[in-house]
Amino acid sequence: ETGVTQSPTHLIKTRGQQVTLRCSSQSGHNTVSWYQQALGQGPQFIFQYYREEENGRGNFPPRFSGLQFPNYSSELNVNALELDDSALYLCASSFGTRENTEAFFGQGTRLTVV
Amino acid sequence: QKEVEQDPGPLSVPEGAIVSLNCTYSNSAFQYFMWYRQYSRKGPELLMYTYSSGNKEDGRFTAQVDKSSKYISLFIRDSQPSDSATYLCATTSGGYNKLIFGAGTRLAVHP
Repeated sequence: ETGVTQSPTHLIKTRGQQVTLRCSSQSGHNTVSWYQQALGQGPQFIFQYYREEENGRGNFPPRFSGLQFPNYSSELNVNALELDDSALYLCASSFGTRENTEAFFGQGTRLTVV
Repeated sequence: QKEVEQDPGPLSVPEGAIVSLNCTYSNSAFQYFMWYRQYSRKGPELLMYTYSSGNKEDGRFTAQVDKSSKYISLFIRDSQPSDSATYLCATTSGGYNKLIFGAGTRLAVHP
């Protein structure tokens, strides 16, 4: 186990609703990255938070937003859910943001939008 | 063109076989290359990490990077049923640990 925990593990939402996913980073880590993994695909980078500030963002619309708290846990919020948002959402924590810094993944949250 | 291309398989091999998994990438500026293993209903876990060109060995696993052809490989020797998983190649981009993944190759090792 990596020490990165995500909640909830599964949830089902209706198109147009809003959802909040949560991630507790590994002890001592100050960086959290979020990824979306569609079925049969590799994870795609959504954004990264470092010391409570957004440090980078992938090619996702503004209805995907995030937050990092002083204890370095993080939330991913998705507004106006679409069917294509159905995916496994992964968070990864690390100590720092350098390219060669290992990121440890949680088990993911499976989101189904109906 | 995707930045990292990977054949999704699936790949099915008998126990004890040598497995070869491959990816290509498009940007010659990529320097760090990783292989992640992802079991069903789990998050990815780092298996191997390589910097620039060359080989790296860890037990039954060998990672190879050929920057001249933009080709990365993972070899698994004496494959075991417990190796059955999806294998994801990845690199980092943008000067920070933003991971760019391939699509993943699903491997099944049957007894």
